[in-house]
Amino acid sequence: KAGVTQTPRYLIKTRGQQVTLSCSPISGHRSVSWYQQTPGQGLQFLFEYFSETQRNKGNFPGRFSGRQFSNSRSEMNVSTLELGDSALYLCASNERVGQGNTEAFFGQGTRLTVV
Amino acid sequence: LAKTTQPISMDSYEGQEVNITCSHNNIATNDYITWYQQFPSQGPRFIIQGYKTKVTNEVASLFIPADRKSSTLSLPRVSLSDTAVYYCLVGVRYNAGNMLTFGGGTRLMVKP
Repeated sequence: KAGVTQTPRYLIKTRGQQVTLSCSPISGHRSVSWYQQTPGQGLQFLFEYFSETQRNKGNFPGRFSGRQFSNSRSEMNVSTLELGDSALYLCASNERVGQGNTEAFFGQGTRLTVV
Repeated sequence: LAKTTQPISMDSYEGQEVNITCSHNNIATNDYITWYQQFPSQGPRFIIQGYKTKVTNEVASLFIPADRKSSTLSLPRVSLSDTAVYYCLVGVRYNAGNMLTFGGGTRLMVKP
């Protein structure tokens, strides 16, 4: 089956602008999570959506938001971009396995550079 | 979620077996242990998951002692392409919102 698709792969934006990133999960997966990865902070959880509802949220400012559509595709939006938002943004398509555990399938990520 | 502790980095040579140990002293009764591998500028990739004793797949083995306060990822006969960061995670529950908490991971460098 097809993997997780994130678009675009690379993006350059100017401070103050906003950006929207897209993620298409694996067919049949209803849960999508977003992560930010930077050299300084590592991999950090942004939020998770399940059946169009946000179930979990990490410790990020309100400038970071997301949504999920009825076909499970998800978008995340960052408004009023700051230089510190430059990062690799990763989307994970989550599958329930075993006794209620999770196997996450990650996309290739979107490399966002804010200048 | 249980906190995990791993070595920051490890070096090995091609053909050797590599063992990476993760400590998770406050693991809960129902928590599973999961390992991910990440190459530069790529998303992490699931390697293996287990609850107790030993689990083996085509890529690695996972050893978990009876007290479950630690686990060891074993990579047999590593190659240069195994150079990556390896993360140990504990207690990710699907119905609790799938929040994977990544620590610093272990940076494995395989040398020729």
